[in-house]
Amino acid sequence: QSVLTQPPSASGTPGQRVTMSCSGSSSNIGSNHVYWYQQLPGTAPKLLIYRNNQRSSGVPDRFSGSKSGTSASLAISGLRSEDEADYYCAAWDDSLSVVFGGGTKLTVL
Amino acid sequence: QVQLQESGPGLVKPSETLSLTCTVSSGSISGYYWSWIRQPAGKGLEWIGRIYVSGSTNYNPSLRSRVTMSVDSSKNQFSLKLSSVTAADTALYFCARWASLTGPLFDYWGQGTLVTVSS
Repeated sequence: QSVLTQPPSASGTPGQRVTMSCSGSSSNIGSNHVYWYQQLPGTAPKLLIYRNNQRSSGVPDRFSGSKSGTSASLAISGLRSEDEADYYCAAWDDSLSVVFGGGTKLTVL
Repeated sequence: QVQLQESGPGLVKPSETLSLTCTVSSGSISGYYWSWIRQPAGKGLEWIGRIYVSGSTNYNPSLRSRVTMSVDSSKNQFSLKLSSVTAADTALYFCARWASLTGPLFDYWGQGTLVTVSS
């Protein structure tokens, strides 16, 4: 079981806005920044969002992140077929360890 | 453009030690933490640990008793040893550069190497 909780799946049609959540606790999300990664099939993860809401270089502004309390969210607007991927949230935990969410598989219908 | 490449045996016998090396090219290993992350087939990511060029380490508490990381700055490499492996350690192993003091910002990743634990 992952320390951070993500819904296993999400879906949307092209052009739609989708959001996915990441729930943690006071020892991780509640007191540290959240990072989001996109993993396309057969590839290494790619950094999308860092420090809760900062887009990594080259990431379109269709992607946005937010954090409130012990939860965080990733939103994708103007959904495109190439956004179909697995998305993972991550955070530093006060136990001196990185914790990941179990991942959300996004399907573009 | 920094590049990372994992190398090591693709097959390890149960109870033996898994050993992997990550070679960093087009960039220095100095000034950053370097991590190992693994992913069992069809499952999520699991952080194994990190090492700084000084040799300072942090390990995932669930793996700490079996993990050793080391760094060889002269070769621009860092390594992972995981002892007493079982089938549960079968996974795709990634190395990655940790680029921030404020959290797990992995900006460069290797392509991953598949390690299977089987007799």
